[in-house]
Amino acid sequence: EAGVAQSPRYKIIEKRQSVAFWCNPISGHATLYWYQQILGQGPKLLIQFQNNGVVDDSQLPKDRFSAERLKGVDSTLKIQPAKLEDSAVYLCASSLGAGGSTDTQYFGPGTRLTVL
Amino acid sequence: GENVEQHPSTLSVQEGDSAVIKCTYSDSASNYFPWYKQELGKRPQLIIDIRSNVGEKKDQRIAVTLNKTAKHFSLHITETQPEDSAVYFCAAKSFQKLVFGTGTRLLVSP
Repeated sequence: EAGVAQSPRYKIIEKRQSVAFWCNPISGHATLYWYQQILGQGPKLLIQFQNNGVVDDSQLPKDRFSAERLKGVDSTLKIQPAKLEDSAVYLCASSLGAGGSTDTQYFGPGTRLTVL
Repeated sequence: GENVEQHPSTLSVQEGDSAVIKCTYSDSASNYFPWYKQELGKRPQLIIDIRSNVGEKKDQRIAVTLNKTAKHFSLHITETQPEDSAVYFCAAKSFQKLVFGTGTRLLVSP
């Protein structure tokens, strides 16, 4: 079974530039998550989709971050404009069901973003 | 919202020793507690999980215990091996949202 795919793996940009990340979840998984993992910390949920609807985006900085999952499959996360504190690994995860207590999340390899 | 604290932040053991990592959570509604292992530069991988209706779960050298009354859960690794060296994250799920601890860097020396 193919895992969660993400691209690019690494990205270096200057502050105030824009950047986009792509995620393709495990086939058939209804729920997709984007996490931000700052060095030395645990992953922090940014946004959760169930199919193409948003379940939780309470921790997404909406003035600069946006995400979409138009066809209920793959997803993009965008940052515009980037700040130095956005330097982190952006992890995508997916789960089979609706994100309930029995729903295991599987993570992608992440995109390491460096903002200079 | 949920808050998860994890201790210790770093743990060094000799090969063959046991390692214990402890987490506490704040939201009594949390009902699912997974543990993830993350090797350097790699994705987090689920190693074991426990649901709130179970007090203990074991899988070979790894075990997890849950005390709902005290709101804490622990990961136990026995007979540690160098390949167990990684960062371990606990997490607690409440109302579909998974909140992670800050991680424990485990170093197993040969």
